Amino acid sequence: DTEVTQTPKHLVMGMTNKKSLKCEQHMGHRAMYWYKQKAKKPPELMFVYSYEKLSINESVPSRFSPECPNSSLLNLHLHALQPEDSALYLCASSQETSGFTDTQYFGPGTRLTVL
Amino acid sequence: GESVGLHLPTLSVQEGDNSIINCAYSNSASDYFIWYKQESGKGPQFIIDIRSNMDKRQGQRVTVLLNKTVKHLSLQIAATQPGDSAVYFCAENQRGFKTIFGAGTRLFVKA
Repeated sequence: DTEVTQTPKHLVMGMTNKKSLKCEQHMGHRAMYWYKQKAKKPPELMFVYSYEKLSINESVPSRFSPECPNSSLLNLHLHALQPEDSALYLCASSQETSGFTDTQYFGPGTRLTVL
Repeated sequence: GESVGLHLPTLSVQEGDNSIINCAYSNSASDYFIWYKQESGKGPQFIIDIRSNMDKRQGQRVTVLLNKTVKHLSLQIAATQPGDSAVYFCAENQRGFKTIFGAGTRLFVKA
């Protein structure tokens, strides 16, 4: 099973709403990632979790709050977003190999629209 | 700053022909390179990777070439099929977990 699942597939929210994006993998991977992708642009790294601990935060605004409840789950909590935050949010995972990077497997993404 | 870039934003090929997608990178310390395929409405899909101690790696219908002298990466797709139509991203790995994607090349396959 090389599948990363993400829910919901689509999300429309107002600027005052609080919502969460969810990601799940059952490949035993110990590294999980959040990326943001705008239309016709490459994915941009937001956060990296390694062994359920946040290891990289790419200076992401605090209105995005990641959470890794366990090794299979990754959440992204959203609050007070701006219309420019509308994008495809991608989750990925990889088998964390000390000192070397393994292949990242991506989920299908959540298409977020902020009104 | 460091960057990964592509020479051509779009590539149109005839079905059955071979495709070559090129990519330049600027960080000579990068030691891991990946090609991803992204179809419309989907997440990036791993195609093939190569580490800096290699200069060529082959998969099923795909070959990745790495030229560290000129910091150049290419993806060759043999006998291109309509299902190969997608955006292709090269990516390099820097500083451990951080993967940086290039701008992407859209491949059109004409039947």
